[in-house]
Amino acid sequence: NAGVTQTPKFRVLKTGQSMTLLCAQDMNHEYMYWYRQDPGMGLRLIHYSVGEGTTAKGEVPDGYNVSRLKKQNFLLGLESAAPSQTSVYFCASSERGGRRDEQFFGPGTRLTVL
Amino acid sequence: GESVGLHLPTLSVQEGDNSIINCAYSNSASDYFIWYKQESGKGPQFIIDIRSNMDKRQGQRVTVLLNKTVKHLSLQIAATQPGDSAVYFCAENIKGGSYIPTFGRGTSLIVHP
Repeated sequence: NAGVTQTPKFRVLKTGQSMTLLCAQDMNHEYMYWYRQDPGMGLRLIHYSVGEGTTAKGEVPDGYNVSRLKKQNFLLGLESAAPSQTSVYFCASSERGGRRDEQFFGPGTRLTVL
Repeated sequence: GESVGLHLPTLSVQEGDNSIINCAYSNSASDYFIWYKQESGKGPQFIIDIRSNMDKRQGQRVTVLLNKTVKHLSLQIAATQPGDSAVYFCAENIKGGSYIPTFGRGTSLIVHP
């Protein structure tokens, strides 16, 4: 199993450009999450999904949109990138009601907005 | 303007020493806690978990202690090795609840050979 994969690994955008980050998991997990991690700030939840076709806002949702059209994929979109969105983005998934409610994280996407 | 929160708490230890990383959690209703390890350039990985009906749980070289009275968790790493150098996060959640954990800010552990 590949676990959680993220595409792309790195990206540089200009202010105002748009892009989509793709997260895929092969563990049949119900829950998926998008986080951003800034220096010294820990992980902040952007959006999450509790199942296919559902999405919900997290702690810092402004400027982002998400879609969960398939259970295994969770897309994060930036419609008009801003320098404040320069960050490392992590996707995670978790099993609902598992023995351990741990989250499995992807390797991250490093995004720079100029 | 002044930037805040740019520097994680840091713990520096010598190889072979024991390390103790602390975490204060916020929600008195939280009953499930996980420690994650994040190595440089990677996503966080599960280390150990503990439920609120326990005060202590041991894994391989790691022990987690839970003090519900003061809402405090600690992660003890025995015989710390250079490979333990990483950022460690605690996460709190309610088992069977929303499955939306709350992460602590993290502590950077630096192990000197």
